[in-house]
Parts: sequence; C-alpha cells; structure tokens
Amino acid sequence: KAGVTQTPRYLIKTRGQQVTLSCSPISGHRSVSWYQQTPGQGLQFLFEYFSETQRNKGNFPGRFSGRQFSNSRSEMNVSTLELGDSALYLCASSLAGDFTEAFFGQGTRLTVV
Amino acid sequence: DAKTTQPPSMDCAEGRAANLPCNHSTISGNEYVYWYRQIHSQGPQYIIHGLKNNETNEMASLIITEDRKSSTLILPHATLRDTAVYYCIVRGFGNTGKLIFGQGTTLQVKP
Repeated sequence: KAGVTQTPRYLIKTRGQQVTLSCSPISGHRSVSWYQQTPGQGLQFLFEYFSETQRNKGNFPGRFSGRQFSNSRSEMNVSTLELGDSALYLCASSLAGDFTEAFFGQGTRLTVV
Repeated sequence: DAKTTQPPSMDCAEGRAANLPCNHSTISGNEYVYWYRQIHSQGPQYIIHGLKNNETNEMASLIITEDRKSSTLILPHATLRDTAVYYCIVRGFGNTGKLIFGQGTTLQVKP
C-alpha cells in the first residue's frame, strides 16, 4: 500500500511570507503528527491530529498551525516566516496514534531566505 | 515521558551484530520503549518496540533489562545500509501520537 506522501518536497520562501505543507497519510490511518527537524534542535513534535481534532501540541508559537480533513489528509501552515523556520518538516501517520507504529513521510524541506 | 540516554556514535563492522544501548532509568511501569532510525535525509523508520519482554522482528531484537532501566537494540548482521541515526524513545499514556526524539546514536557500519 502507498506510504505517507508529503508535498511539496522542497520549498523556498521569503521572510514574512506564509506557507502550507500537505500530508496524505496511509489509507485507514486516522492520526497524523507533524515534526520539525533542524540541525540545532533535532526532531521536535509540533502537533497531532486525530479525526479532524488537534489532540496534542508541542511548544511552538501560534504561527504554526494545522488542520485535518475528513479523509485524514492534513495540512500545516506557518505564517510570517522567519529564517529560523528553515527545516525539514515531517509528518507521520498511524492507525490511532496510540501504541501502534508511526510511519513517516519523506518530509518537506523548507528554506526561508 | 521518561528521558533516554544514548551514546552519540558507534561503529560496527559489516556482517557483525550491532548492539545499541539505551538508558531509561526513570521509566515508569506503563511506558514502552520504541526504536526508530533515520537514514540521511529520509523520514524516521519504525524498528521495534516493547514493554518488558524481549521482542524480535525481521529487522532487529530488543532486549529490555529486568528492572526496565535500560535496553539494547540488536541488529544481528549489520549491513552498510544500516548506517543511520538510531533513536530510543520512551512513550507512555497520555501522549498519543507524540514521539519525543533525543539526539540518538549515529551508527556507522564499516566494510
């Protein structure tokens, strides 16, 4: 079956702009989590959505937001981009977000200039 | 969730077993130990998880000490493609869908 699909794979944006990233989970998976990975901070949890509701949230400013649609696809949005937002953004899907394994996508590489 | 401590790097000869240790001395009774790995520029890949019994799957074995304060991931016959960063994660109830990644261990498999 198809894996987790993230689009786009690469993105270049200018400071102050906003960006929307997309994640299509594995069919049947209802939980989607988002992570930011930078060389300095490593992999950090952003938020998790389950059945269109945000169920868990990391320590990121309100500029980072997300949503989940009825087909479980998820988007994350970053507004007023800063240079420090340059990172690999990863999403992971799992059946229910509990103790089942999470499958990660290849990520979206965002560069803010 | 309990914190984990892993060595920053390890080397292993190709074809030999790779034994990656993880310390989680503050783990509580209902917390699981998970292992993921990340090959350069790819998304993390699930390897294995366990609660207190040793576990084995097609990729690896997980050995958890009786007091559950530490564990070892074993790759029985390491190949060059096993070169990656390996993350040990402790995960409990109430943090559904959330994985807390540490710095992990960079495993270099050498020919």
